[in-house]
Amino acid sequence: QKEVEQNSGPLSVPEGAIASLNCTYSDRGSQSFFWYRQYSGKSPELIMFIYSNGDKEDGRFTAQLNKASQYVSLLIRDSQPSDSATYLCAVSSTSGTYKYIFGTGTRLKVLA
Amino acid sequence: EPEVTQTPSHQVTQMGQEVILRCVPISNHLYFYWYRQILGQKVEFLVSFYNNEISEKSEIFDDQFSVERPDGSNFTLKIRSTKLEDSAMYFCASSEGLAGLDEQFFGPGTRLTVL
Repeated sequence: QKEVEQNSGPLSVPEGAIASLNCTYSDRGSQSFFWYRQYSGKSPELIMFIYSNGDKEDGRFTAQLNKASQYVSLLIRDSQPSDSATYLCAVSSTSGTYKYIFGTGTRLKVLA
Repeated sequence: EPEVTQTPSHQVTQMGQEVILRCVPISNHLYFYWYRQILGQKVEFLVSFYNNEISEKSEIFDDQFSVERPDGSNFTLKIRSTKLEDSAMYFCASSEGLAGLDEQFFGPGTRLTVL
C-alpha cells in the first residue's frame, strides 16, 4: 500500500514566523510532489509542485525534496493569519495514470 | 483564469437513490479525475478518464459508480443506489497532460449528503 504521511497537527506558529510542514512517502519511484492548501469546506488549491531534489522557491513558499530520504517539505516564510488552513501533500503514483495519493494534511494555525 | 466548475454545490438524496454529479473541466485539458473526501479524512482517488474511457479506477470505484463524458465539455459521476457512507465531498480535477508531469486543478466540489 503506497502511503503519504503527514503530521495532522495543529501546527501553531506566530504571525511573521516560518512554518515548516513535512511529508514522507513510501513509493520510492514517485516522481512528482505537490502541495495543496485546503480551507475548511473548500477544495484543494495548488500552492507548489516539485520534481527535482533540492529547493524550489515561489514567493513566501519554498518546497524541499529529498528523494533519497523520501521526504518533501514546505516552508512558509512570514506566515500570515490567512495562511491558516490544512496543507495537503500529494504524490503522483508511478503506475497507471499518475493519480495523486494524498496525505491526511497538516492543519496550520497562524496566531496574530 | 480558466477553472474547473462543478454542479450542484450540495446534493441531498435519500439512501438508495441515484445521483449525478457534474463537472466542466478546463477546456484544453485532456485528463479528468474524480476524488472524494469523507469529512475529516484524506482526499481519495476514485477514477481517471482519458480519451473517452476510464484509465484507472480505485477499489472504491465499484459497480455502483460510473463516469461519462456526454459531450465535449461535461464530465459526470453517477452513483447508483446511494448508501449512507457515500456522504462526502466529491472533487473533479483535470490536467493538461499526465498528472505525473502536469498539476491537477480541482473544482470547488459537490457535497453529497445521503439520508
